[in-house]
Amino acid sequence: SQTIHQWPATLVQPVGSPLSLECTVEGTSNPNLYWYRQAAGRGLQLLFYSVGIGQISSEVPQNLSASRPQDRQFILSSKKLLLSDSGFYLCAWSVYRDNYGYTFGSGTRLTVV
Amino acid sequence: SQKIEQNSEALNIQEGKTATLTCNYTNYSPAYLQWYRQDPGRGPVFLLLIRENEKEKRKERLKVTFDTTLKQSLFHITASQPADSATYLCAQLWSGSARQLTFGSGTQLTVLP
Repeated sequence: SQTIHQWPATLVQPVGSPLSLECTVEGTSNPNLYWYRQAAGRGLQLLFYSVGIGQISSEVPQNLSASRPQDRQFILSSKKLLLSDSGFYLCAWSVYRDNYGYTFGSGTRLTVV
Repeated sequence: SQKIEQNSEALNIQEGKTATLTCNYTNYSPAYLQWYRQDPGRGPVFLLLIRENEKEKRKERLKVTFDTTLKQSLFHITASQPADSATYLCAQLWSGSARQLTFGSGTQLTVLP
């Protein structure tokens, strides 16, 4: 069966520090991968998506970047965190089948202090 | 730009009643509308998907409708239970290579015993 792993679950980082969040998928090949951010009490905002290794599309200009070094690995990074980067970060994957929704990871709660 | 809105931020209903949540979109009909459940501190979980050419979809106590004239989807939970209490998100998707989902801000449902 397909599973998605996202870590860490919580993270407290000082302003100006780097960030690396990792997401891995098991049990599927060539998935579409996504990074979303959810501010408190708000909806999900799409940050990045990837349709293949090394292929990254950004939805909003920001302090963050993403990479996909392997088919089932998606990494969210920042060189210098801002206070506004705080939020709940979610990784998700999907495949090209009409009846399937997204499968989300358990999320990372990032607090920048 | 294309928007998706969930008008009610919160909805309280009595156990055993039918909960009805509303999702409205602007401009063009998406190829699919999806509904997710999100519990506090967790990632969303896919519930149901309905296509543009479908009027209604059911799954156990859940029912989703898609009205392209009203530009609206309704999500029903019949015989609601306190365990149904959660935030419910609708999302729209257009056919395309990356299958990006755009989410509404969610409706927090509380089922009172």
